[in-house]
Amino acid sequence: EPEVTQTPSHQVTQMGQEVILRCVPISNHLYFYWYRQILGQKVEFLVSFYNNEISEKSEIFDDQFSVERPDGSNFTLKIRSTKLEDSAMYFCASSDSRRTKNIQYFGAGTRLSVL
Amino acid sequence: DQQVKQNSPSLSVQEGRISILNCDYTNSMFDYFLWYKKYPAEGPTFLISISSIKDKNEDGRFTVFLNKSAKHLSLHIVPSQPGDSAVYFCAASGGSSASKIIFGSGTRLSIRP
Repeated sequence: EPEVTQTPSHQVTQMGQEVILRCVPISNHLYFYWYRQILGQKVEFLVSFYNNEISEKSEIFDDQFSVERPDGSNFTLKIRSTKLEDSAMYFCASSDSRRTKNIQYFGAGTRLSVL
Repeated sequence: DQQVKQNSPSLSVQEGRISILNCDYTNSMFDYFLWYKKYPAEGPTFLISISSIKDKNEDGRFTVFLNKSAKHLSLHIVPSQPGDSAVYFCAASGGSSASKIIFGSGTRLSIRP
């Protein structure tokens, strides 16, 4: 069964460093998303991406964050200068809303630890 | 953000019995509702969904009921099995086809033998 894959599973970084989280969405999907879950809190939306541009972003997704689809298969989330409060699980998701409206399929996540 | 609420943080059910997980929402613009299941160290896994034009959707052991007037939905699992032990998230979306999903805080379901 097709799945969303995320790498790395765990990323440790120093505060102020840049990190790139990588995702390979399901191959025929057109819509891509990033969510995060801070320990003990809800899963919260960060950004959605369609047709090579951001469709929607939350207020969390400030200038420190960016997303890119550098080729036909990868979807990345970059945090330019990490802060302690960026420590969280980051989930990538994708959907093909032409067939199944708004059912988003999630990857296993990347745990980001900012020290 | 309290648009989707799951008021029971945990639920324990005996194997073979029915599990009922509840969810309330506040935003009347939501038109699609989903349930996700999550095991530790994994991402949310889609379980079942329902459009706001329906009041029931069934898939095997899983049934979701939607009461729009009460802004309430529930997930029924019958019969409950040990593998159903996980955190269940209620979620909602609305509007455009690339809508974000708003998640509830989750209910940890434990199936006891």
